[in-house]
Amino acid sequence: NAGVTQTPKFQVLKTGQSMTLQCAQDMNHNSMYWYRQDPGMGLRLIYYSASEGTTDKGEVPNGYNVSRLNKREFSLRLESAAPSQTSVYFCASRDRKGAIYGYTFGSGTRLTVV
Amino acid sequence: GQQLNQSPQSMFIQEGEDVSMNCTSSSIFNTWLWYKQEPGEGPVLLIALYKAGELTSNGRLTAQFGITRKDSFLNISASIPSDVGIYFCAGPSGTYKYIFGTGTRLKVLA
Repeated sequence: NAGVTQTPKFQVLKTGQSMTLQCAQDMNHNSMYWYRQDPGMGLRLIYYSASEGTTDKGEVPNGYNVSRLNKREFSLRLESAAPSQTSVYFCASRDRKGAIYGYTFGSGTRLTVV
Repeated sequence: GQQLNQSPQSMFIQEGEDVSMNCTSSSIFNTWLWYKQEPGEGPVLLIALYKAGELTSNGRLTAQFGITRKDSFLNISASIPSDVGIYFCAGPSGTYKYIFGTGTRLKVLA
């Protein structure tokens, strides 16, 4: 049982390049999330998808877009990468029925924009 | 907006010592979660708390849901080197989301 799988694990981009971070979960969870983690800032929510077919902005959505491709997959796209987007990105999922339970996180994508 | 403040920000302790950390919120929560993040990995849920005053243990870890519902505490007894990592508290922010604290970074000296 893989849980939440993120690809790639590491990426270096030049300023202005675009890329898509992939996330897939095999737990049949309804809700999926993208967070970024920066030193001293904790985890900040970028976008989330409460259920298949819906997406909503989180705390720091600027510069990002998302796609909930199906119930399993939730991708994060950087259209024109900026150095301020250097961060560690985490995807997470949660079952709506388990509202009192927390997220299951992936192992992260470490992105550097130069 | 909601904020979660964790303290201390970092701790260096000797192996075998007990550890205490806390988290305070600007608003009332009905759930508190505690996560641990090991280097190079995503956070993993340690303990979930569901009502004020609740005390829950997971091995050497004990967490408490504060009476005011605006704070929570995590204690680690007899720390070992594998306790190293960042400990995050989290609470609900709306129906589908959680807000996270800034983390307490723990380093254990053997």
